Amino acid sequence: GENVEQHPSTLSVQEGDSAVIKCTYSDSASNYFPWYKQELGKRPQLIIDIRSNVGEKKDQRIAVTLNKTAKHFSLHITETQPEDSAVYFCAASIRYGGATNKLIFGTGTLLAVQP
Amino acid sequence: EAEVAQSPRYKITEKSQAVAFWCDPISGHATLYWYRQILGQGPELLVQFQDESVVDDSQLPKDRFSAERLKGVDSTLKIQPAELGDSAMYLCASSPGLAGVAKNIQYFGAGTRLSVL
Repeated sequence: GENVEQHPSTLSVQEGDSAVIKCTYSDSASNYFPWYKQELGKRPQLIIDIRSNVGEKKDQRIAVTLNKTAKHFSLHITETQPEDSAVYFCAASIRYGGATNKLIFGTGTLLAVQP
Repeated sequence: EAEVAQSPRYKITEKSQAVAFWCDPISGHATLYWYRQILGQGPELLVQFQDESVVDDSQLPKDRFSAERLKGVDSTLKIQPAELGDSAMYLCASSPGLAGVAKNIQYFGAGTRLSVL
């Protein structure tokens, strides 16, 4: 079945450094790739997303890149801050049954930003 | 800012008991999702509603789990009987269900953390 692999599972960086999280997906028909941030005990929150007709998208310190040929996408966080510490999930949308779509999530990356 | 509401936030139960979780999506959102999140893993879709209709329940253990969204607004997820392996976070999400980008954006509730003893 469809799956999304996410690496690394844990990532520790120094404040100010960059962090990169990578995901690969299996369904070539996937057309939407969101990234969620989940702080301890809180709800997952969408931080950035990209559609399959775009190769890169940036929002301040975060950016996402997509390589459709290789079926992988990455989250880049620059100038990391302690408040960036959280679990980050990637996801890929697959379409089935006509207009219905669902998200397949990666296993998450625990990012720790050391002050 | 409108949010997805879930209750209770925490639930402790003994195995073989029945439990129920409630979700109220963002007003006007046609699509509602129930996910199970085991510690250290990503959310796994259990059931998806479009208005009051189930469009995907392929991963729902139907021998013990049931879900309904009778009026196409709020939803209830039930487990009967609960088993030790059901301990997890149960997340509800909703999306507008309209054509275009907004259709795919899912907004999550804070979840119900279930512990089965």
